[in-house]
Amino acid sequence: RKEVEQDPGPFNVPEGATVAFNCTYSNSASQSFFWYRQDCRKEPKLLMSVYSSGNEDGRFTAQLNRASQYISLLIRDSKLSDSATYLCVVNSNQAGTALIFGKGTTLSVSS
Amino acid sequence: ETGVTQTPRHLVMGMTNKKSLKCEQHLGHNAMYWYKQSAKKPLELMFVYSLEERVENNSVPSRFSPECPNSSHLFLHLHTLQPEDSALYLCASSQGGVDEKLFFGSGTQLSVL
Repeated sequence: RKEVEQDPGPFNVPEGATVAFNCTYSNSASQSFFWYRQDCRKEPKLLMSVYSSGNEDGRFTAQLNRASQYISLLIRDSKLSDSATYLCVVNSNQAGTALIFGKGTTLSVSS
Repeated sequence: ETGVTQTPRHLVMGMTNKKSLKCEQHLGHNAMYWYKQSAKKPLELMFVYSLEERVENNSVPSRFSPECPNSSHLFLHLHTLQPEDSALYLCASSQGGVDEKLFFGSGTQLSVL
């Protein structure tokens, strides 16, 4: 099983749609979880951290299920500017020195 | 601007050349990283420095040689690279600790001919 596995993309949705991305991780000892966003030919940027209680930032909601080793990102009311690749990132050890990235899921929002 | 500056943005080199990538962070962070991003592959961690000491090296070939002279600067020295080393090389920094939030530079797009 890959350390961090994401939904295969691409996701093509119209503006205003709700879209959800899933991610599974293999290391049950993982402590911290993140979603990063990467635009074409740009560097990844932190979108949000993922907490056990779930967290929301505007149109974005992230959830963590430790029992199933599963993370999700929900985007409501998609905008054209949401088009990007979304990277699931998991800390692979308790020392916190190795973040493992998923391959990413590409989202394309069209008008 | 993320506070992490990488140079050069683009680099083309032959297999016999020696070049260096430079990274500087202005965030007061304690840890710096080199990642490699190849097409259709996830980011691969290459090196981690914490307080100027290397704490992780993910079995990277010796043709890649990192240097961290202080907590704000990180270099990646390249020599006798192979065409398959062509990729986007990303520098990142973090405050350190379990809750690592990485701040990336814009990357160096490297092509090895």
